[in-house]
Amino acid sequence: EAQVTQNPRYLITVTGKKLTVTCSQNMNHEYMSWYRQDPGLGLRQIYYSMNVEVTDKGDVPEGYKVSRKEKRNFPLILESPSPNQTSLYFCASSVTGNRQRNTIYFGEGSWLTVV
Amino acid sequence: AQSVTQPDIHITVSEGASLELRCNYSYGATPYLFWYVQSPGQGLQLLLKYFSGDTLVQGIKGFEAEFKRSQSSFNLRKPSVHWSDAAEYFCAVGPSGGSYIPTFGRGTSLIVHP
Repeated sequence: EAQVTQNPRYLITVTGKKLTVTCSQNMNHEYMSWYRQDPGLGLRQIYYSMNVEVTDKGDVPEGYKVSRKEKRNFPLILESPSPNQTSLYFCASSVTGNRQRNTIYFGEGSWLTVV
Repeated sequence: AQSVTQPDIHITVSEGASLELRCNYSYGATPYLFWYVQSPGQGLQLLLKYFSGDTLVQGIKGFEAEFKRSQSSFNLRKPSVHWSDAAEYFCAVGPSGGSYIPTFGRGTSLIVHP
């Protein structure tokens, strides 16, 4: 079954304590991306990756890091979380060819609270 | 730059009534257009998509959308709403060319009254 898997699904952490949200997809997709969703603001892109070792900033990259060492994994790293990073986070992946282009598969979301 | 506008933050309908959710886009070329649904506590699920061809697109759960180039719109419709359709709906536009960064609208929250 095609899946994008995020972990953890729910997390409460304290300001400044580094955390990583993992994301894994089993569809051999080249493109992966992280979004955050906040009330009234919709989905905003944090970082994206076109392929292994290729990453770039989205609309709201401040305070986040990513890496893409393997095709299937795209972890989101918060080096020093702050309360304004409390949000719902989605990982997504997509194949990049032909008519499947830009059909995005989403993970189930990770609820992160920073206190 | 591309953009997507969903002018309605909330829409309230009665169960069994028809539904239309509005989506307007701004994009310089032929867009790829999508509608996603997010049920409470869930991730996003693709309802339907338009790449080219027939401008009336059928999706899952009885939804359809019509691409109108002259109006830069891609409105989502359903003839008879069910209580289970209550959710957040997102319109998105995807670019052609080398970039694969879709732009999402801010979403429309659908409330269904019994």
